[in-house]
Order: sequence, then structure tokens, then C-alpha cells
Amino acid sequence: QITLKESDPTLVKPTQTLTLTCTFSGFSLSADDVGVGWVRQPPGKALEWLAVIYWDDDKRYSPSLKSRLTIAKDTSKNQVVLTMTFMDPVDTATYYCARTFYSRSSFDSWGQGTLVTVSS
Amino acid sequence: DIQMTQSPSSVSASVGDTVTITCRASQGISRWVAWYQQIAGKAPKLLIYAASNLQSGVPSRFSGSGSGTDFTLTISSLQPEDFATYFCQQANTFPYTFGQGTKVEIK
Repeated sequence: QITLKESDPTLVKPTQTLTLTCTFSGFSLSADDVGVGWVRQPPGKALEWLAVIYWDDDKRYSPSLKSRLTIAKDTSKNQVVLTMTFMDPVDTATYYCARTFYSRSSFDSWGQGTLVTVSS
Repeated sequence: DIQMTQSPSSVSASVGDTVTITCRASQGISRWVAWYQQIAGKAPKLLIYAASNLQSGVPSRFSGSGSGTDFTLTISSLQPEDFATYFCQQANTFPYTFGQGTKVEIK
């Protein structure tokens, strides 16, 4: 059974750095073709693709957020970490991690999501 | 970035109806489109990948078609559990952008 779970909901202040952890089971991020990505969704709005990391450590970022994002994996712990700097209230959203495959590109398994609130 | 324009933004339908949702890409993306269903308060669920491939476990009343810039998700014989919001996603060029969503509501 494939599961992904994001770190707990959090409140961050403007200008602070957000660190999110995705802990997964049922697959390995060292297996060929596998990747884990992040997507966010502001309340009542559409989904926004943020970043993805693949089994071979290939990393891709949304160009509009690239200067603020870092994605990394810890294969031994089955975790993927997303860091976002200089948080702003417009970054308030539910953040999801999800599994993908380089050859298919869609996200086939998702975490439940975690709410990140940016407020002073 | 490639823009994905979904239409309609919302649709009212009855149980048993057929609903069609379209997605237009701002440039050609071959068949690299996925469709997701999101029930309020839940994570998205993959329905269709590579334009027309049904994800394992998804009912056959869901189907997808299209290539190039125009894509369609069809839900045949709408069921009560299908009332949700649907998103398309292009998976041809990073960043893999999403459409703005289509809400399927009960008439």
C-alpha cells in the first residue's frame, strides 16, 4: 500500500522559511523512474505545481518560485523535504506531496495535504 | 509556462447525465494530459493519464480524449459520488501546470 504524509499543519510569520517533510511508504525513491513532487492549493483556488525530485536526484522547480524553493530527498528515511524561503501571506495554502513517474508525469498517489498559514 | 484553460468553470447536472469538460493548452502538448477529481476537503485523485489511459481502480464511466491542444474528460452516467471539482494538468513541459478547475454540481 502506497502512502504519503506531509508534516503537521503550521503557522509561519512573513519572511520566515517554511520546511515541509513528506514521509512515504510502499515505494522507493531509489527505484528507476520514480519521483516525488509538491503541489499547493490556496483556499478555494486551483492547484499549483511547485517542484519535483526524481530517483536520480534530478530536480525541477516552478520558474516563478525557483529562487525560493529547495527540494531534497533522504532515500534511507523515505522522505522528501521542501524548503520555501521568504514566506508571504499569499503562500497560505494546503501543500500536498505526491508520487510521480518520470515516464508518465502525472501524480498517481497523494498525501492528505497540510495547511500552511502565513500570518504575523 | 503552458497555460491550461478549462471550460466550463462549473456545470450543473443530474444523476445519470453525461458531463463533458474540456481543457485547452496554450501550445501543443502531444497527449501529455492528466485529469484529477477532487472532493471538497480531500486530496486530488488521478483519473486519467496520458490523455486517455484510465488509472487503475477508476470506474469506466470516466474517459479522456484529445491530443495537441484540445482535450476532453467525459463522465458518463453521472453518479452521486462524482459531484466534485475536476482539474486537468499538462505533463509535457515543466512546470506541469494545472487548469483552473471545473466544479460539477447537483442540478
